[in-house]
Amino acid sequence: DAKTTQPTSMDCAEGRAANLPCNHSTISGNEYVYWYRQIHSQGPQYIIHGLKNNETNEMASLIITEDRKSSTLILPHATLRDTAVYYCIVRVYNFNKFYFGSGTKLNVKP
Amino acid sequence: DGGITQSPKYLFRKEGQNVTLSCEQNLNHDAMYWYRQDPGQGLRLIYYSQIVNDFQKGDIAEGYSVSREKKESFPLTVTSAQKNPTAFYLCATAEDRYQPQHFGDGTRLSIL
Repeated sequence: DAKTTQPTSMDCAEGRAANLPCNHSTISGNEYVYWYRQIHSQGPQYIIHGLKNNETNEMASLIITEDRKSSTLILPHATLRDTAVYYCIVRVYNFNKFYFGSGTKLNVKP
Repeated sequence: DGGITQSPKYLFRKEGQNVTLSCEQNLNHDAMYWYRQDPGQGLRLIYYSQIVNDFQKGDIAEGYSVSREKKESFPLTVTSAQKNPTAFYLCATAEDRYQPQHFGDGTRLSIL
């Protein structure tokens, strides 16, 4: 699986959009991009995933660059409850393992 | 995630003892997984099972054992052979190997 690079931490004002970047410059053609988040002392929560097209669901939007070397997770209106560590993961679609790195600690502030 | 129950939430073990962590799901998912998370680090795969009565070793299976006798249940035993058992243990399930994994709320194991 390709490795990912994320900033260690980010701040966001409550009510504003949170844009979390992820670099995956060595991604292969059959690897998907997944985003999870983990609130302290809880299990990771699945957010969204995609291959090359932009994706949107009720939680977030995923923007993948045309060359697929980077992506951005967008939380359109961040709330205090969105404070968590966000993990960007790439893996082959039918591969059993998820490789969680260190993630980005998002701090949503009032 | 709702539908995945890990118990207990906190577990204490004396050195030399085996201990079993429970993971139950009512999502009718075929695949189940066990991960370990150490402070400030990502998750590491211990064991996984894609179907009843079958399971495979992950990256750090030494000192652990599992069984998959029922679709709903995938218990993990931490044996005395595991030298550093103190960690946060997470169970995950997926409809199959192609779908995203969904996680329980974890069991925190500590050595007394």
